[in-house]
Amino acid sequence: DAKTTQPPSMDCAEGRAANLPCNHSTISGNEYVYWYRQIHSQGPQYIIHGLKNNETNEMASLIITEDRKSSTLILPHATLRDTAVYYCIAYRDSNYQLIWGAGTKLIIKP
Amino acid sequence: DAGVIQSPRHEVTEMGQEVTLRCKPISGHDYLFWYRQTMMRGLELLIYFNNNVPIDDSGMPEDRFSAKMPNASFSTLKIQPSEPRDSAVYFCASSLGLAGGVGETQYFGPGTRLLVL
Repeated sequence: DAKTTQPPSMDCAEGRAANLPCNHSTISGNEYVYWYRQIHSQGPQYIIHGLKNNETNEMASLIITEDRKSSTLILPHATLRDTAVYYCIAYRDSNYQLIWGAGTKLIIKP
Repeated sequence: DAGVIQSPRHEVTEMGQEVTLRCKPISGHDYLFWYRQTMMRGLELLIYFNNNVPIDDSGMPEDRFSAKMPNASFSTLKIQPSEPRDSAVYFCASSLGLAGGVGETQYFGPGTRLLVL
C-alpha cells in the first residue's frame, strides 16, 4: 500500500511560517489529502483537508499542486505549541482505510 | 460536545491479566476506530465499526484481542491474556462517515497508555 513521503524532521523559528511538504505522486483523482498533527502524549488532531483547490482555515493553509502529486501545509506564524509530528495522509488500503505514515517531526525553536 | 472520551488514561498490569479499554465516541458519529501506536510500528488501525457493527478487524493482532460496540455511545477493546508486547498507546477515534472530505475527518481521543509488565 502506498504511503505519502514526508521529511522525517524539520525546524522552524518561532513567528516564521512553517512549510511542510508532502509527496503523493500516485494519488487517485478522487482521494482527499488530509493533514493531522500529534502533539506529544496526545491523540492526533485534524488540521485541514483538500481535494484540488487550496484550502485555508484558522489553523493552517493547504496548497495542492495542479497535478495533485504533492502538497504543502503552511502554518503562517509558528509558535512553540506547534511543535508536533505532522501527518500527511492521501492513500487508503485495500479496505478503504487511511494509511498513516511516519510523519514529519516539526520543532519550533525560540 | 466533549469529544471522544477514553478510559482509563493509564493502565499498568501484569502479564496474563485481562485489560479492558473503553471509548465513548462523539454523539452522532457513525464510525468508530480503534488504533494502536508504538514507536516501532507507528499508528496502526486495529478495527473499525459502522453503526455499532464491526466492519474490518483485519488489524487485530490475534485472538487475544476483541472489541465490541453494544450501542452507539460505547465501545470496548479487550486484551485477554495481556502480554508485555501489547504495551502501547491505544487510541479511539470517531467520524461521521467514510465518504471523503469533512465527513471522513476522524476525531481522536486522548488515548490509553498501557504497560504490561
